[in-house]
Amino acid sequence: EAQVTQNPRYLITVTGKKLTVTCSQNMNHEYMSWYRQDPGLGLRQIYYSMNVEVTDKGDVPEGYKVSRKEKRNFPLILESPSPNQTSLYFCASSLSTPTPSSYNSPLHFGNGTRLTVT
Amino acid sequence: GENVEQHPSTLSVQEGDSAVIKCTYSDSASNYFPWYKQELGKGPQLIIDIRSNVGEKKDQRIAVTLNKTAKHFSLHITETQPEDSAVYFCAALENTGTASKLTFGTGTRLQVTL
Repeated sequence: EAQVTQNPRYLITVTGKKLTVTCSQNMNHEYMSWYRQDPGLGLRQIYYSMNVEVTDKGDVPEGYKVSRKEKRNFPLILESPSPNQTSLYFCASSLSTPTPSSYNSPLHFGNGTRLTVT
Repeated sequence: GENVEQHPSTLSVQEGDSAVIKCTYSDSASNYFPWYKQELGKGPQLIIDIRSNVGEKKDQRIAVTLNKTAKHFSLHITETQPEDSAVYFCAALENTGTASKLTFGTGTRLQVTL
């Protein structure tokens, strides 16, 4: 089954303790992206990757790192989590960078990771 | 950059009635407008989209309209059913030069009551 898999689904941690949220897709997609969802703020892009070894900042990259060493994996790293990073996180992928011509390859989202930082 | 506003934030309708969710965008260069549905405990899923050279698009009970002059687009759901209850997000695709970027609205929680 074609899917984007995030782990873990739920994570409770303490301030300053490094963590990684994994994301893997089995659709051979070039484009991958991380979003955070907060009440009243919608989905905001953290980082994205247009291909292996190519990553770039989104709208809210502070406090996060990513890597894209393999096409299928795009982990999100919080080196020193803080309470303001408590949020619902989504990984997404598409065949190529979203453009009007790629409307047949929409963004596929994972089921989310709910992170609580105390 | 692009700014997408979405209204209302919550919407309650009776089963069988219609629901309309509206979005406005700021960047006249944006040219692709998808709508996503997020069910409880799941990630958003694309349900319909429209490009800037089209004014309206329908897919069974859902339709999207686009007014480029006014820079707003709307999602219309007719004959609503309980399974339509979800959070809906609009988005606008902005060409930033090096890459295109989707900017999402803040979401609308739709509740379809029996």
